[in-house]
Amino acid sequence: EVQLVESGGGLVQPGGSLRLSCAASGFTFSNYWMTWVRQAPGKGLEWVASIKPDASGYLYVDSVKGRFTISRDNAGNSLHLQMNSLRAEDTAVFYCVTEDRGSGWTHWGQGTQVTVSS
Amino acid sequence: DVVMTQSPLSLPVTLGQPASISCRSSRSLVHSDGNTYLNWFQQRPGQSPRRLIYKVSNWDSGVPDRFSGSGSGTDFTLKISRVEAEDVGVYYCMQETHWPWTFGQGTKVEIK
Repeated sequence: EVQLVESGGGLVQPGGSLRLSCAASGFTFSNYWMTWVRQAPGKGLEWVASIKPDASGYLYVDSVKGRFTISRDNAGNSLHLQMNSLRAEDTAVFYCVTEDRGSGWTHWGQGTQVTVSS
Repeated sequence: DVVMTQSPLSLPVTLGQPASISCRSSRSLVHSDGNTYLNWFQQRPGQSPRRLIYKVSNWDSGVPDRFSGSGSGTDFTLKISRVEAEDVGVYYCMQETHWPWTFGQGTKVEIK
């Protein structure tokens, strides 16, 4: 059974940093793109960042470029999101996602809450 | 960025009746590889999103066949042939043709 378990969320002051992690199991982690998607309170979904299976490339939405860094550890089956210079508008539930746009491969974690507030 | 516009944003439906959600993109979603990467997601109350449909009309595993997707270019539709109580939630279209991938605003489906 595929499992994606996020951790690392919490309350942080504006300008602060957090590192999210996602522990993956039940599939060959190193074969798949991995992604972070977020959802602000009461709002819709936003695709934040994606990383290639071998970590040779990544994509970021403009609103987080230069502040967030996505990375992965294929030996340890984990995905990470380093978030710096956090803003109030980054407050959201962050989901760890593995998905293939061309096939029926799609799995989401339960999410971890990030709150940026003084 | 590609703007995805859904309508309606709220959809009260009667159990057993059909429902339809429209999604329009600000530019064609036909990829240079010939595929159209348009997905539909369901988010039930208190749950993570779940993909229902990929590449316009392909079902993900475990999705009931009362859900169907159609469309091309910039106009797409999700249909539920007969709404059941478990279908209550918010539905999102999402494009994966042009980075950054973008979602529609969501359509809230509720039972009348």
